[in-house]
Amino acid sequence: EDQVTQSPEALRLQEGESSSLNCSYTVSGLRGLFWYRQDPGKGPEFLFTLYSAGEEKEKERLKATLTKKESFLHITAPKPEDSATYLCAVWKEGGNQFYFGTGTSLTVIP
Amino acid sequence: NAGVTQTPKFQVLKTGQSMTLQCAQDMNHEYMSWYRQDPGMGLRLIHYSVGAGITDQGEVPNGYNVSRSTTEDFPLRLLSAAPSQTSVYFCASSYSWGSTEAFFGQGTRLTVV
Repeated sequence: EDQVTQSPEALRLQEGESSSLNCSYTVSGLRGLFWYRQDPGKGPEFLFTLYSAGEEKEKERLKATLTKKESFLHITAPKPEDSATYLCAVWKEGGNQFYFGTGTSLTVIP
Repeated sequence: NAGVTQTPKFQVLKTGQSMTLQCAQDMNHEYMSWYRQDPGMGLRLIHYSVGAGITDQGEVPNGYNVSRSTTEDFPLRLLSAAPSQTSVYFCASSYSWGSTEAFFGQGTRLTVV
């Protein structure tokens, strides 16, 4: 069964305390893995796309990595403005839709 | 360039009422889709369109209809609202189907009483 699982469900960090969010997936043939950020009351906002194992992408304090079974979103020295829910989605080869995880709610405390 | 615009932002319906959620994009994207987001569940695809005049069902299509008469607009119709359709609805558009990122609207929070 195609599935995307994100962990942890919620994460509280002190400002400056680095950590990682996990997205594990089971799909037959990955075409792409996508990370989104969602603020309360808003639609998801695109962050990264990863296409193959070993690929990495960075944007400010965020770095996304991909293996054959999971992706990590590393947050280095987070700031309160990084507080949001982070969503992971996958698209499989021959598929017709994204499969979304349930997200990780990140709170960064000043 | 407004991106993806959804209206209304909030709506309360009585069971059995019908309504249309509006979605418009100004990026000339061929691909548009509707999702619902419920607590504890990931975004789930309701219907999608790969171009004007072409629509197809997603994971949870029951109780919803769509049409795509223009590239810009992709309305979602609730035929006879039920409490189970209480959710937040997002419209999204993308340049291609699956290989590039989707751009989402701000969402419509729908409550059916």
